[in-house]
Amino acid sequence: DIQMTQSPSSLSASVGDRVTITCRASQSIDIYLNWYQQKPGKAPKLLISAASTLQSGVPSRFSGSGSGPDFTLTISSLQPEDFATYFCQQSYTSPPTFGQGTKVEIK
Amino acid sequence: QVQLVQSGAEVKKPGASVKVSCKASGYTFMGHYIHWVRQAPGQGLEWMGWINPNSGGTNFAQKFQGRVTMTKDASINTAYMELSSLRSDDTAVYYCAKTYYYASGRFEADYWGQGTLVTVSS
Repeated sequence: DIQMTQSPSSLSASVGDRVTITCRASQSIDIYLNWYQQKPGKAPKLLISAASTLQSGVPSRFSGSGSGPDFTLTISSLQPEDFATYFCQQSYTSPPTFGQGTKVEIK
Repeated sequence: QVQLVQSGAEVKKPGASVKVSCKASGYTFMGHYIHWVRQAPGQGLEWMGWINPNSGGTNFAQKFQGRVTMTKDASINTAYMELSSLRSDDTAVYYCAKTYYYASGRFEADYWGQGTLVTVSS
């Protein structure tokens, strides 16, 4: 199975900060990388698919980049509603696998 | 609008089975695979498998082979996941999710159910 490693596992940031989360796959996964946001007690929400394609309705402050094994999720100006846990997930091959998550907390 | 509505919370004893339902609406049920993902308390996301609502074909994570069954009833746009021989470490929230792309098993899940908490305890 492909291992997905996210960093950091948690971070503290202030409203308005630029936040970057990285995700590394244990092998090349082309651009088959998705990002999800999960708030407490809620299901994950798909933010970005295919490494950089923003889903409909997702604010443009979210962006994704990368290919091969290394990817990033960037929030250009953190808003109060962005405090959540973010997961990366590879859809290159079965079984799909997830990173362990990055919890974004209020500083 | 697209909705996936799951059945309610369950409490089961070790060794028992649980069956969770996922009722879909707002899109072509037969056209999008349904995946099941679980999340143990305070933990990450673990993929369990998928069902193709058109053919009934399934694919499971090796970890759950022999213990999980996924079925569908297309007449009521509902998918089911049954997990048997429950253990305490099966305590988790179980989610169903539909794939973004039509007729693809690739896991890019644009809509999720609200989750079903399954608690396994003696």
